[in-house]
This record gives sequence, C-alpha cells and structure tokens, in this order.
Amino acid sequence: DTGVSQDPRHKITKRGQNVTFRCDPISEHNRLYWYRQTLGQGPEFLTYFQNEAQLEKSRLLSDRFSAERPKGSFSTLEIQRTEQGDSAMYLCASSLGGRDGYTFGSGTRLTVV
Amino acid sequence: AQSVTQLDSQVPVFEEAPVELRCNYSSSVSVYLFWYVQYPNQGLQLLLKYLSGSTLVESINGFEAEFNKSQTSFHLRKPSVHISDTAEYFCAVCDQGAQKLVFGQGTRLTINP
Repeated sequence: DTGVSQDPRHKITKRGQNVTFRCDPISEHNRLYWYRQTLGQGPEFLTYFQNEAQLEKSRLLSDRFSAERPKGSFSTLEIQRTEQGDSAMYLCASSLGGRDGYTFGSGTRLTVV
Repeated sequence: AQSVTQLDSQVPVFEEAPVELRCNYSSSVSVYLFWYVQYPNQGLQLLLKYLSGSTLVESINGFEAEFNKSQTSFHLRKPSVHISDTAEYFCAVCDQGAQKLVFGQGTRLTINP
C-alpha cells in the first residue's frame, strides 16, 4: 500500500483554462474526500464519495467544480474557467469510516495566473 | 453543524520547553476528535485521536491530548519539545453520525534553539 497519491503535485494555469486533478486512494478505503487549503487556513471540505456515489457537496463548490469517482476507485476533480481565487492546495483523503480519521495525499498546488 | 476554534495561530517556544496547543469545538452531538500535523512541504498526518473511553490519548512521539466534554476542549500538550516538532498542527472534529472532518484554522508551532 503506497498511501494516497495525487497528481500532479503542482499546476500553474492561466485564468480561464480548465484543470483536472487526480487522486488514487488507499485501495481498501471506500470513502474519498476532497478538501481545499489556502495559506494560513485549515482544510475546507469540498466533496465526499462513498464508493462511486457523491454523497455531499459543499456550498464552496461552485458550478465550475465537478468531481467524479468512476467505479469507486480513483477520483478526479475538475475546475472549469479557473479564476485567481481558485489558487490553493487541493487535498484528497481516503478513509474506512469517520472514527478512523483520514489518510491524506500530499496535495496538488494550483496557481492561477 | 460542528466548528473548531484553535485559539492560537502561532506558538513560539524554546527547545525542551513544554507546550500546549489549544482547541475548542462546538457540536450538538457526540463527536470524534483528532489532531493532525503538517510538517513543512508535506501532507497532513494523523497525530492522535479520541473516539471514546479514556479522555487522555497519546501519540507515539510524546504528544498527548485530553478530551474535556464540559469545556468542549481537546488541547494538545507535550512536556518537552524538540526542533523536529516544528510544524503546523490542526485540530479536527467529526460528528459520530456524519462522515466528514471539520478542521480548525491551524496553529504554527515554532521551536527556537
């Protein structure tokens, strides 16, 4: 088990472009989470999957954001028409359940210029 | 809905001194409580967690946290810090019936020689 993997580690994009991030969770974890972290702040919840079903989305997740988890394995987070305010660290985590806590990936740092 | 307040954004201490990082939470239901650590340029790692039972929980590297239900607190302590403890520490709460963690804003622990 190699833990939670996120790709890419860094992404620089021009405003208005679309970006997609990938997360590979721990294989036996059925829950997968996306969080966003900006400088000096704690992680903010974006969305959550149990297997392939997206069960909750934060109000932070505007219509420009979409996440998928086909077949309940890896997940992708897409941001369309990026804005400078989207610049942040995007964190993926997986878990077996709430009482187990999460295992986080190293994150994808997005910079929108 | 749950919320977490970490009362100090930065805590500077001298090496081998004791430290306490404060965390208060708000919830109308029973919760699980967690402390995560984020070392420079790394992802978040679970430090310790409280699920039930003994209110004092310990980590493998000498940190401990005490759950105080009446004060809704889960402060993190270490009797003697080391340079390698320099990191950002995040307190998090999870409603026992829910699936997502809510994080505090983080406390940056800086150890001076």
